[in-house]
Amino acid sequence: AQSVTQLGSHVSVSEGALVLLRCNYSSSVPPYLFWYVQYPNQGLQLLLKYTTGATLVKGINGFEAEFKKSETSFHLTKPSAHMSDAAEYFCAVTQAAGNKLTFGGGTRVLVKP
Amino acid sequence: NAGVTQTPKFQVLKTGQSMTLQCAQDMNHNSMYWYRQDPGMGLRLIYYSASEGTTDKGEVPNGYNVSRLNKREFSLRLESAAPSQTSVYFCASNLLLTGPNQPQHFGDGTRLSIL
Repeated sequence: AQSVTQLGSHVSVSEGALVLLRCNYSSSVPPYLFWYVQYPNQGLQLLLKYTTGATLVKGINGFEAEFKKSETSFHLTKPSAHMSDAAEYFCAVTQAAGNKLTFGGGTRVLVKP
Repeated sequence: NAGVTQTPKFQVLKTGQSMTLQCAQDMNHNSMYWYRQDPGMGLRLIYYSASEGTTDKGEVPNGYNVSRLNKREFSLRLESAAPSQTSVYFCASNLLLTGPNQPQHFGDGTRLSIL
């Protein structure tokens, strides 16, 4: 069975500061990993995905994530936070069969001016 | 470009009432999914339909039924609503046939309260 753990349900950052959201997964086979963002009263939007190949993945809105197999991690970063980054972020994993996504519990980001 | 459309957006039910949540996608996707979102628990899969004519249980199927009406539409039914089913429900779809790395596209959700 696969699982996803996001460390920290809430993160507060100052505008212009680094955003770091942590995601660790467990999977018995090579995973496919995703980060989604959810703005208030909206559905989830894809930020980025890792399938195979390059371990550093660039997404939309200046976000990127690095896949580290040895650490079973897929942390999300953004060098400089913007007020518009205030949202909830979800890490998710799937395996080859069935494409069923397993989500982490989510991290809500608050950006302070 | 509508994407995934869910109706209704909000609903309040009394315990024991029944209701069907509707979902339609216009992206010609073959796979569709229903999730529920509860605070601190992320999204949990209720049911999914890998292709038209098939449905399968997800992680939390109890108390729900689904119907894949055609390629575009996938409905979720609560036969006898319970307060534990108060949640935000999301429908999603993707093109599974091209591989498991295809991201899912989500609707804006249905906020359901059961009193």
